[in-house]
Amino acid sequence: DADVTQTPRNRITKTGKRIMLECSQTKGHDRMYWYRQDPGLGLRLIYYSFDVKDINKGEISDGYSVSRQAQAKFSLSLESAIPNQTALYFCATSDYREGTDTQYFGPGTRLTVL
Amino acid sequence: KNEVEQSPQNLTAQEGEFITINCSYSVGISALHWLQQHPGGGIVSLFMLSSGKKKHGRLIATINIQEKHSSLHITASHPRDSAVYICAVVPGADGLTFGKGTHLIIQP
Repeated sequence: DADVTQTPRNRITKTGKRIMLECSQTKGHDRMYWYRQDPGLGLRLIYYSFDVKDINKGEISDGYSVSRQAQAKFSLSLESAIPNQTALYFCATSDYREGTDTQYFGPGTRLTVL
Repeated sequence: KNEVEQSPQNLTAQEGEFITINCSYSVGISALHWLQQHPGGGIVSLFMLSSGKKKHGRLIATINIQEKHSSLHITASHPRDSAVYICAVVPGADGLTFGKGTHLIIQP
């Protein structure tokens, strides 16, 4: 089984709908991240969390919110989806105690907003 | 804001060639990562560097902190190395700042 899973893997929705993307990990890592990837722009950080009680905005947090329900779960919500939120979304985890802060990525969620 | 520039953006080479991908960044960092994104979209971490050089199989990564520059080398390249290679830096306590990636194609 994969260490970092994302659901759904693909989602098509309409403008104005509320969408939740979920991320779960079995690695026992404290740190979790949400990124989006757009063609020609690379990956950009949306939100990150260093533990259950810690939530931080990243570079492009407007229009998004997150919830860290448990150490293993980190959800990303689009309160009212708009077409320019069409992108590939990645969740990642890391454990600074490993000494490397290596990030482990989920398989990605391809979101299309019509 | 830390800018991360990669070159080249696209690279096509023949099997067996020595490949070099470059990454430059604009401000101080605590570490630099090289990532590989497969054609199917999955991303894996190749290296994390804070100084010097690391080697894993046919992949070698180097970093020069003073010059704010890192290189990823692939020796004896193979078609299965075809992927997007992404440089990412750790500017502080936050998550990574990414380059736009280098799209590598190795032809048989």
